[in-house]
Amino acid sequence: GAVVSQHPSWVICKSGTSVKIECRSLDFQATTMFWYRQFPKQSLMLMATSNEGSKATYEQGVEKDKFLINHASLTLSTLTVTSAHPEDSSFYICSARGGTSGGEHTGELFFGEGSRLTVL
Amino acid sequence: GQNIDQPTEMTATEGAIVQINCTYQTSGFNGLFWYQQHAGEAPTFLSYNVLDGLEEKGRFSSFLSRSKGYSYLLLKELQMKDSASYLCAVLDSNYQLIWGAGTKLIIKP
Repeated sequence: GAVVSQHPSWVICKSGTSVKIECRSLDFQATTMFWYRQFPKQSLMLMATSNEGSKATYEQGVEKDKFLINHASLTLSTLTVTSAHPEDSSFYICSARGGTSGGEHTGELFFGEGSRLTVL
Repeated sequence: GQNIDQPTEMTATEGAIVQINCTYQTSGFNGLFWYQQHAGEAPTFLSYNVLDGLEEKGRFSSFLSRSKGYSYLLLKELQMKDSASYLCAVLDSNYQLIWGAGTKLIIKP
């Protein structure tokens, strides 16, 4: 089946530094990738939708200058948390939508393993 | 507004059957997903329904009624490893996922 790889799984950083999280679709082309974050005991919140070769679309309340998303290829999207602060500590998850491989995965999202960010 | 409702928590016994309900009101509908999520892990895809009816996959089945804005996830022969949160999510007209808050399922021996 399709696999989405997310890296790193765990990251601890100091306040004020930037952290980059990668999301790769390993065996299919993902024209669209989604970035979510999950705070403890809450459901996943969509942060932004990333389309290959174009600017990401951010959800209301998400600072685009703080959470930089780049989707330079059909298999890679990155989320950079700039000038991270303790309140940015969360579980960040990416997902990629298949649908360009003959329709087998149309409408189905594949999730990365998630990245747990802790900002000290 | 868009809304997904599912029970906060359910308890069931190992070996039994449990049904987790989900009702939704969204802007358009392009399918409904059920995901399983263990604490600290990313969600795992369980099922996708876009047409009315029952879809069966082993011990798990998912049902959809678009006219009623209703779905359920049915888990049979419950095992202790089924203890997890189960998330209902709807793909709206813009292909955005609208998530429920999840149902925490507790399995007792």
